[in-house]
Amino acid sequence: DTGVSQDPRHKITKRGQNVTFRCDPISEHNRLYWYRQTLGQGPEFLTYFQNEAQLEKSRLLSDRFSAERPKGSFSTLEIQRTEQGDSAMYLCASSLEVLAGGPREQYFGPGTRLTVT
Amino acid sequence: KQEVTQIPAALSVPEGENLVLNCSFTDSAIYNLQWFRQDPGKGLTSLLLIQSSQREQTSGRLNASLDKSSGRSTLYIAASQPGDSATYLCAPQGGSEKLVFGKGTKLTVNP
Repeated sequence: DTGVSQDPRHKITKRGQNVTFRCDPISEHNRLYWYRQTLGQGPEFLTYFQNEAQLEKSRLLSDRFSAERPKGSFSTLEIQRTEQGDSAMYLCASSLEVLAGGPREQYFGPGTRLTVT
Repeated sequence: KQEVTQIPAALSVPEGENLVLNCSFTDSAIYNLQWFRQDPGKGLTSLLLIQSSQREQTSGRLNASLDKSSGRSTLYIAASQPGDSATYLCAPQGGSEKLVFGKGTKLTVNP
């Protein structure tokens, strides 16, 4: 049973560098989500895809952030010119919509811990 | 804007005790509500999903209830075990696809 996987699990980078994270969803899931979690807080929504289309973006997703899901399978999240405030756990989740408006249980990956020094 | 509050923020109980975690949300127009557990430094594990048309959902020693009109959900854990120690998060889902999370309840079950 392959759940949601994320790579890398940890990333340490210097301020100003670019970083890219990868998420592989559960294989048949058509929806993919990115969240960010800082210490002591619950996750906050960043963006989501249905297949390859990016359908919603949070205001948290500044111009330095970009996400793609080129073939409707894996997704990448890139942060350009990283800042110390970007230090957080970046979580990916996926879900399958079977019926329009039906339950859409989200399954999360292990996360990528980003530290910006 | 949906806001989620979880009470208590932390809870410490002896092994074997039954306990209740509370979640309240401000916008009752939701489709689903999910409960998750999170171990330190790890991702989220989905425990239960309750659809807006349901009032309860059970999985093993866990029982979640939903009162959509009053904006409340509870997670009941029966016969708690040290392995239940984790942070528990609730997340309602409205018309948007996003889950909105509270800060969680940190549970410690002492042997």
